[in-house]
Amino acid sequence: DIQMTQSPSSLSASVGDRVTITCRASQSISNSLNWYQQKSGKAPQLLISVASTLQSGVPSRFSGSGSGTDFTLTISSLQPEDFATYYCQQGYSVPRTFGQGTKVEIK
Amino acid sequence: QVQLVQSGSEVKKPGASVKVSCKASGYTFTNYAIHWVRQAPGQRLEWMGWINAGDGSTKYSRKFQDRVTITSDTSASTGYVELSSLTSEDTAVYYCVRDVTSGGSWYDVWGQGTLVTVSS
Repeated sequence: DIQMTQSPSSLSASVGDRVTITCRASQSISNSLNWYQQKSGKAPQLLISVASTLQSGVPSRFSGSGSGTDFTLTISSLQPEDFATYYCQQGYSVPRTFGQGTKVEIK
Repeated sequence: QVQLVQSGSEVKKPGASVKVSCKASGYTFTNYAIHWVRQAPGQRLEWMGWINAGDGSTKYSRKFQDRVTITSDTSASTGYVELSSLTSEDTAVYYCVRDVTSGGSWYDVWGQGTLVTVSS
């Protein structure tokens, strides 16, 4: 199974900050990496697919990059509605696997 | 609009089985796959398996292989997951998600989640 490891597990940031979350796969997954946002008590929502494709309706302050084993989610200017938990997920092979999540909290 | 609507919360005793449904609307059901993902309290999302709604083929996680069954009813545009021999470790929110069947894999539509509580 492909292991997905995110860092950090949590972070505190202020509105307007630039935030970067990294995700590392235990083996190459090409660009088969997706990012989701989950707010408390809600289902996750897809932000970015295949490493860098922004989903319709997702603000342009979100961006993704990377290929192979190392990936990054960047929020260019953190907004109040962005405080949530973020998960990466590989779509390369079965079983699909997720990172442990990164909780973004208000500083 | 495109949506997946799941059945309501369940409370089960250890050793019992549970079956959760997921009704799709707003798109052609047989053009996509339905995956099932669960999230135990404070834990990461965990993939259980999937069904290609077009041809009915399935694939399961080895962890659940012996006690999970994923099915679909194309006439009702509904997917199902059934989990047997429940223990307290199966207490979780269960999500159905839509996935494309070719050209990649990503979950663009999620059900609202179904809480399954296993308690004696």
